[in-house]
Amino acid sequence: NAGVMQNPRHLVRRRGQEARLRCSPMKGHSHVYWYRQLPEEGLKFMVYLQKENIIDESGMPKERFSAEFPKEGPSILRIQQVVRGDSAAYFCASSPQAPQETQYFGPGTRLLVL
Amino acid sequence: KQEVTQIPAALSVPEGENLVLNCSFTDSAIYNLQWFRQDPGKGLTSLLLIQSSQREQTSGRLNASLDKSSGRSTLYIAASQPGDSATYLCAVMGAGSYQLTFGKGTKLSVIP
Repeated sequence: NAGVMQNPRHLVRRRGQEARLRCSPMKGHSHVYWYRQLPEEGLKFMVYLQKENIIDESGMPKERFSAEFPKEGPSILRIQQVVRGDSAAYFCASSPQAPQETQYFGPGTRLLVL
Repeated sequence: KQEVTQIPAALSVPEGENLVLNCSFTDSAIYNLQWFRQDPGKGLTSLLLIQSSQREQTSGRLNASLDKSSGRSTLYIAASQPGDSATYLCAVMGAGSYQLTFGKGTKLSVIP
């Protein structure tokens, strides 16, 4: 059973471009969470999704950020018009049945905005 | 709002020593507490998960304790090895929540 997969592992964007981060949860997992780790900071919750539904996006910036988890395919975290402050590691986690079960983390995507 | 603090921020010990990492949280209404290991440029590896009804969990040379009433957890590493060098993260899940609240971590260096 493959673990949580994220791609790309590293992403470089210039200011104003768009960044798309992908997350494939573990097989059988229907709950996906995105966290962001800014330099020298702890991981912070961004959004929680189930298939085709956003359950809680309270941790996500109101502008430029969006997330989806379609019926088919990976979960996508999209950042429009990136700024240097978006440079961070973005981690995806998944859990199998209930949202309070153990969350399994992917390797993360390191985003660098030039 | 839950806040998680880890002390110390960094720790350097000689190989073979036993050590303790500390984690404190402000809201004792938690569902579980989890310790992770993070290697540079890598993802998070779950080490131990303690449910709120439990007092401790053990895995090999690792032992984690939880005192929910005082808002504290410790991770004990016995007979440390250079391969234990990493950043150790503590995270709590609030009761009725699904968000993990993380501390900033303790960066451990085990010197051969």
